Amino acid sequence: KQEVTQIPAALSVPEGENLVLNCSFTDSAIYNLQWFRQDPGKGLTSLLLIQSSQREQTSGRLNASLDKSSGRSTLYIAASQPGDSATYLCAVNEGSQGNLIFGKGTKLSVKP
Amino acid sequence: DGGITQSPKYLFRKEGQNVTLSCEQNLNHDAMYWYRQDPGQGLRLIYYSHIVNDFQKGDIAEGYSVSREKKESFPLTVTSAQKNPTAFYLCASMKGQGEGTQYFGPGTRLLVL
Repeated sequence: KQEVTQIPAALSVPEGENLVLNCSFTDSAIYNLQWFRQDPGKGLTSLLLIQSSQREQTSGRLNASLDKSSGRSTLYIAASQPGDSATYLCAVNEGSQGNLIFGKGTKLSVKP
Repeated sequence: DGGITQSPKYLFRKEGQNVTLSCEQNLNHDAMYWYRQDPGQGLRLIYYSHIVNDFQKGDIAEGYSVSREKKESFPLTVTSAQKNPTAFYLCASMKGQGEGTQYFGPGTRLLVL
């Protein structure tokens, strides 16, 4: 059964730092992988979607990479800002059903 | 504005009561999903539907029921058989099964009185 793990569970950094969030999955046979952001008490906002055939996707200060063979993805945030403070969730889509399997998230705090 | 709406934002359930959570989307998406989120946990799939009048159980369907009579709507009923219903419930939709991004609603927080 697919399992998704996110490390670290929590991270606190000063404003301006570049940082990396990690996501690993146990079964490399995935359809795609998505990174989401969740603010407290809110729904999820999609940040980046990487198809299984892709290596990376970029949006603004965010860059997500995917190494399917090793079961790893990273989310790189450049020049972090206090507004980036949120929980970041990684989810894998195993196939045509579209059902996502989520990690428990990394809670990021960016201090001014 | 296109998107997913969930209501109510907060819902209180009494012992033995069934309650229904609403989820509506105007994105013309075929697939819809219900997830449950507990503190410090990832989201877990309750039910999903890829087409009107058809739905499938997810990983934690016991104590829940759904219907999909219209493409736009996918209500979730939390029955009295669900013994630990306190959680944050999130509805999502996607254009087609397996395709692209899942879009999420703002969530409903269910509390037990």
